[in-house]
Amino acid sequence: KQEVTQIPAALSVPEGENLVLNCSFTDSAIYNLQWFRQDPGKGLTSLLLIQSSQREQTSGRLNASLDKSSGRSTLYIAASQPGDSATYLCAVRRGGFQKLVFGTGTRLLVSP
Amino acid sequence: DGGITQSPKYLFRKEGQNVTLSCEQNLNHDAMYWYRQDPGQGLRLIYYSQIVNDFQKGDIAEGYSVSREKKESFPLTVTSAQKNPTAFYLCASSIDLARSTEAFFGQGTRLTVV
Repeated sequence: KQEVTQIPAALSVPEGENLVLNCSFTDSAIYNLQWFRQDPGKGLTSLLLIQSSQREQTSGRLNASLDKSSGRSTLYIAASQPGDSATYLCAVRRGGFQKLVFGTGTRLLVSP
Repeated sequence: DGGITQSPKYLFRKEGQNVTLSCEQNLNHDAMYWYRQDPGQGLRLIYYSQIVNDFQKGDIAEGYSVSREKKESFPLTVTSAQKNPTAFYLCASSIDLARSTEAFFGQGTRLTVV
């Protein structure tokens, strides 16, 4: 059974810091991995999608990497801003259809 | 504006009542999904549908029912058989069930049993 773990569960940093969020999964037979952002009481916003054949994806200040063999992905946020404060979720996709298995998220607080 | 619309944003249910959560998408996506989110837990899949008039149970389907009569719509009914329905419900869609496609989510419905 695929399990997804995100560490740390919560992170507090001052504005301007570069930071890394971690996601690990137990079964390396995944098709892709997706990072999401969730603001309090809101739905999920897709940030980055990494296919299993890719090593990384970039969007603005965000960079996500994938190491399938070790079962790890990282989300790098450069020059963090207070507006980055949210919960970040990773999800892996495997199986005969597009089922996403989610981690429990990292709650990020960026202080001005 | 393309996207997924969930309504209502907040819903209150009395014990023993059935309630229906709405999910509409104008992205022309074939596949749609319902997830449940509880504090401290990851999202869990309730039902999914890959095409009109077809749907499959997810990991926690007991006490829920769905229909897919139109491509754009995938309503979820929380029945009185669902023992702990208080949660945040999220609807999602993707172009199809192919492995490589991206999933998009609505803004969620918070259901509370009173």
